[in-house]
Amino acid sequence: QQQVRQSPQSLTVWEGETAILNCSYEDSTFDYFPWYRLFPGESPALLIAIRPVSNKKEDGRFTIFFNKREKKLSLHITDSQPGDSATYFCAANNAGAKLTFGGGTRLTVRP
Amino acid sequence: DTTVKQNPRYKLARVGKPVNLICSQTMNHDTMYWYQKKPNQAPKLLLFYYDKILNREADTFEKFQSSRPNNSFCSLYIGSAGLEYSAMYLCASSRGAPGTGGAGEQYFGPGTRLTVL
Repeated sequence: QQQVRQSPQSLTVWEGETAILNCSYEDSTFDYFPWYRLFPGESPALLIAIRPVSNKKEDGRFTIFFNKREKKLSLHITDSQPGDSATYFCAANNAGAKLTFGGGTRLTVRP
Repeated sequence: DTTVKQNPRYKLARVGKPVNLICSQTMNHDTMYWYQKKPNQAPKLLLFYYDKILNREADTFEKFQSSRPNNSFCSLYIGSAGLEYSAMYLCASSRGAPGTGGAGEQYFGPGTRLTVL
């Protein structure tokens, strides 16, 4: 059973548009949701994270919207740039050591 | 400094031979993790050390060993490499202990790309 799901698997937007990456989860005990960005050949880098006490977390062009009732969250990247092209992983943690990753969304931003 | 270092960056191994990968961090983090990542797949947790306590995932229990001689270093050991072990191996660390929530904020190293021939 896949605990964390992401959609779409791949997404292409034009430079300047807003990219929306979706994530949903099964386990209601998850209480920490980080997003990681992975450039080809590199390791995942923590981008932004949210806890369920908030329904929104913003950091520059990156915003997480969180809906606890529906167990869904989304990452919005405004004013997308070609340099944002990467694979984005949604993950979840429930105060244990294990970080459960979604399958990832491959984002391509065309100039 | 949030640097996690891994050595080597690339490793070539023969089928049936042992492989030892090294990870280090100087952040005094309580927990260190090893993940396996294959192309187009999410990172898969293999095992983690909280302090000196090793926890291995059930489905990889017999395939991987690890040691943590001190807080800064952690190794991943494959006793007999198979072709299916070819992957990127990612080390990560976090300040939090299991059960505190801080364990979710994990910092990853650059990875070791293992190719088994």
